[in-house]
Amino acid sequence: EPEVTQTPSHQVTQMGQEVILRCVPISNHLYFYWYRQILGQKVEFLVSFYNNEISEKSEIFDDQFSVERPDGSNFTLKIRSTKLEDSAMYFCASSLNEAFFGQGTRLTVV
Amino acid sequence: GEDVEQSLFLSVREGDSSVINCTYTDSSSTYLYWYKQEPGAGLQLLTYIFSNMDMKQDQRLTVLLNKKDKHLSLRIADTQTGDSAIYFCAEINSGNTPLVFGKGTRLSVIA
Repeated sequence: EPEVTQTPSHQVTQMGQEVILRCVPISNHLYFYWYRQILGQKVEFLVSFYNNEISEKSEIFDDQFSVERPDGSNFTLKIRSTKLEDSAMYFCASSLNEAFFGQGTRLTVV
Repeated sequence: GEDVEQSLFLSVREGDSSVINCTYTDSSSTYLYWYKQEPGAGLQLLTYIFSNMDMKQDQRLTVLLNKKDKHLSLRIADTQTGDSAIYFCAEINSGNTPLVFGKGTRLSVIA
């Protein structure tokens, strides 16, 4: 069964460092998303991507965040200068109709 | 903005039915979803219902939608210990707009 895969599963980084979270969406899907879940809190929308551009973003998705689809398969989320409060589980999702989620990357900023 | 509310905890005995409730505010919701999250894992799509339906059944899962009251429920029949997880209700307004999630209901199944 096709699935969304995310790497790494867990990343620890020092405050101020850049991180890139990677996702391989389901191959025939057209819409791609990043969500995050701070421990014990809601799953929050960050950004959606369609037709090689951002289609919608939340107020969380500020200038330190960027997304790319560098080739036909990968979809990345870059955080330029990580802060302690960026520690969260980051989920990638892709959809045609229903959204399918990856297993998440747990980012820990120390 | 749109909001989705769920009770935070539910505890049931193995073999009983579980009913997880959700309310939402967006009257333009088109799809409503239930996701399951096991400890340390991602979000698994369990089932969804289109807004013009009242009920959907899928094996042990029954989804009921009361569109007038903006109330969604998930019933799990014959609940098993493997059903212990956090269950998220989510709604989508149209097309491929972002999902709006509730805070999740932690279901604990007691053997």
